[in-house]
Amino acid sequence: QKEVEQDPGPLSVPEGAIVSLNCTYSNSAFQYFMWYRQYSRKGPELLMYTYSSGNKEDGRFTAQVDKSSKYISLFIRDSQPSDSATYLCAMSASRGAGSYQLTFGKGTKLSVIP
Amino acid sequence: GAGVSQSPSNKVTEKGKDVELRCDPISGHTALYWYRQRLGQGLEFLIYFQGNSAPDKSGLPSDRFSAERTGESVSTLTIQRTQQEDSAVYLCASSRTGTGGNGYTFGSGTRLTVV
Repeated sequence: QKEVEQDPGPLSVPEGAIVSLNCTYSNSAFQYFMWYRQYSRKGPELLMYTYSSGNKEDGRFTAQVDKSSKYISLFIRDSQPSDSATYLCAMSASRGAGSYQLTFGKGTKLSVIP
Repeated sequence: GAGVSQSPSNKVTEKGKDVELRCDPISGHTALYWYRQRLGQGLEFLIYFQGNSAPDKSGLPSDRFSAERTGESVSTLTIQRTQQEDSAVYLCASSRTGTGGNGYTFGSGTRLTVV
């Protein structure tokens, strides 16, 4: 079993739809949870980060963490064509010496159709 | 600089040749990471620098891979005797400290193709 599982999609939705993206993980040592957005031929860009279980909202984006189920989600409200990208979940735990190596999901490719 | 800068953006090399990839982190960022992203795969951790020391090299796939960093500045990733399976996008990221709570800033990557 991989440490982080993420459905690669692709996921295609109409403009204005609510999008739900999810990841599951197996390593209970993970402490920090992040979502990155990656446009084609660009590096990943940090969208959201959370530490504890619960919800965190930022504009049209809501990140949700359920540590008991080892499950994280990203919701996008009122989706726009500019949201079309690959979304990567990432999580980290201390590895000592200040290293917080991130473990990434494979990414979900999202297309928002006008 | 304003962001993490990587060069070259694209590199095509013949199998067996050595390549050197460069990363210029954000000024003041002490932590620097190298990741590899193969087509259709997630990002694979390669190496972590804190300043110019590398306390975590656990992701380097073989002894053909090495990296160094000058102070808290530029880092270079060297791949010797390149193989076709080395073809990937090599991403560099930096952060202010080694904290994991707020993620890192990535560069746009170097797309390496070994022919």
